Amino acid sequence: QVQLVQSGAEVKKPGASLRLSCKASGYPFSNYGIAWVRQAPGQGLEGMGWISPNNGNTNYAQKFQGRVTMTTDTSTATAYMELRSLTSDDTAVYYCARERPTAMVTTFLFDYWGQGTLVTVSS
Amino acid sequence: SYVLTQPPSVSVAPGLTARIACGGDNIGFKSVQWYQQKPGQAPVLVVFDDSDRPSGIPERFSGSNSGNTATLTISRVEVGDEADYYCHVWDNTSDLPVFGGGTKLTVL
Repeated sequence: QVQLVQSGAEVKKPGASLRLSCKASGYPFSNYGIAWVRQAPGQGLEGMGWISPNNGNTNYAQKFQGRVTMTTDTSTATAYMELRSLTSDDTAVYYCARERPTAMVTTFLFDYWGQGTLVTVSS
Repeated sequence: SYVLTQPPSVSVAPGLTARIACGGDNIGFKSVQWYQQKPGQAPVLVVFDDSDRPSGIPERFSGSNSGNTATLTISRVEVGDEADYYCHVWDNTSDLPVFGGGTKLTVL
C-alpha cells in the first residue's frame, strides 16, 4: 500500500534552517510528484511547492522562493524539503503529499499524505 | 492569484444533510477536490474531480461544481463526520495548488 513516512518533530531557533524528509513506499516513486503543504497552528492548509522526482523539476510558491529547496533521492524514494532563515511564522505542521493528475490531466490532486512533521521555531 | 472562499463553519444535526460551499472565479471550469481533516490527523481526500469518490469513502459524500461555486454534500451526517473540510484546485497560472480556508463541520 502507498505510504509516505515523514521525519520526526523538530525545534529550531530563529534564523536556523530545517530539512525534512518524506520516504515513499508502495508505488513507483519517480512516476508521481511530491508536494509540500504546511499548516500553522489553528490555520488552514498552505501549499509550498512541488517537485517531480523523475526530472527534478520544481515550482515554489512565491512566498517561499529564495528560502526553500525541494529535492529527491530516487535511490531511496525519499523527498526532502529544506527551509532556511526560519522565523516564528514558520511554526507549523509540514506535510508531504503525493500528486496525481486530475481528469484535466495538467492539474493535480493529492491522494496520499504523510503523517506530518511538527516544526517549532522558538528562541 | 486564484482565491477559494469557504464559510468558516457549518452546523448540522445527525442524520441530516450538510452542504459546504467553495467559491471561486469560474470554478466550474476547474477540477475541485475536497479533503477531510480530523484533529491531529493528516488530510484525507474524500471527493476528487468535482464529484468522484476515492475507494473507501462512503457514498454519503458527494460533490458538485458549476459556475462560481463548488459544493461538498454529506448526506445522513454522522458524529464521525465532524472535521475540517478543505476545497482545493490547481491554479494553472502559477502551476501551484490553492486551498480554501477550510470549513469546520459541527455535528450537533
